[in-house]
Amino acid sequence: GQQLNQSPQSMFIQEGEDVSMNCTSSSIFNTWLWYKQEPGEGPVLLIALYKAGELTSNGRLTAQFGITRKDSFLNISASIPSDVGIYFCAGQGGTSYGKLTFGQGTILTVHP
Amino acid sequence: EAGVAQSPRYKIIEKRQSVAFWCNPISGHATLYWYQQILGQGPKLLIQFQNNGVVDDSQLPKDRFSAERLKGVDSTLKIQPAKLEDSAVYLCASSQDRRYEQYFGPGTRLTVT
Repeated sequence: GQQLNQSPQSMFIQEGEDVSMNCTSSSIFNTWLWYKQEPGEGPVLLIALYKAGELTSNGRLTAQFGITRKDSFLNISASIPSDVGIYFCAGQGGTSYGKLTFGQGTILTVHP
Repeated sequence: EAGVAQSPRYKIIEKRQSVAFWCNPISGHATLYWYQQILGQGPKLLIQFQNNGVVDDSQLPKDRFSAERLKGVDSTLKIQPAKLEDSAVYLCASSQDRRYEQYFGPGTRLTVT
């Protein structure tokens, strides 16, 4: 089946630093989604990408849909303590509408 | 707009017992999903409903798990009998349609002892 490789697994950064994380897939996706999950809560949608090469921002967050359709990137600029959480990428491929495949998550810790 | 509602938030049961989880999707969302999230992993899709019909249940352990979505709105996921390895967070999500982004509820944390 489809597999997603998300990296890094964890990051420890200082407040104010920029953050980059990425996902790569063994197969082509038509949609990439980025979610954030905090302890005891469900994933919250951050950014949705629908076209290869698409670059989309949501405040300090920017995500890109790779032109090969097998990867995606998420950047967070000027991190703040409330950015702490687990970030997941998720992809949807082919005609498997609705069937999201999730990465393993990136645990982000921000030191004030 | 109200989000996806789930109950209960926490449940502790002994192995071989049964348990049921309830989900109320965002109003007007045709598609409803149940995911299982084991500690340290990303969510894994168990079953997908389009209105009140099952679209994909290929990853649902049908010998012990069942789900229904009567009237195309609320949904219930049941486990009977539970095993230790069923300990996980069960997440419900909904979307306008299968092609659109999914919104998740807070989840139910199940502990099987």
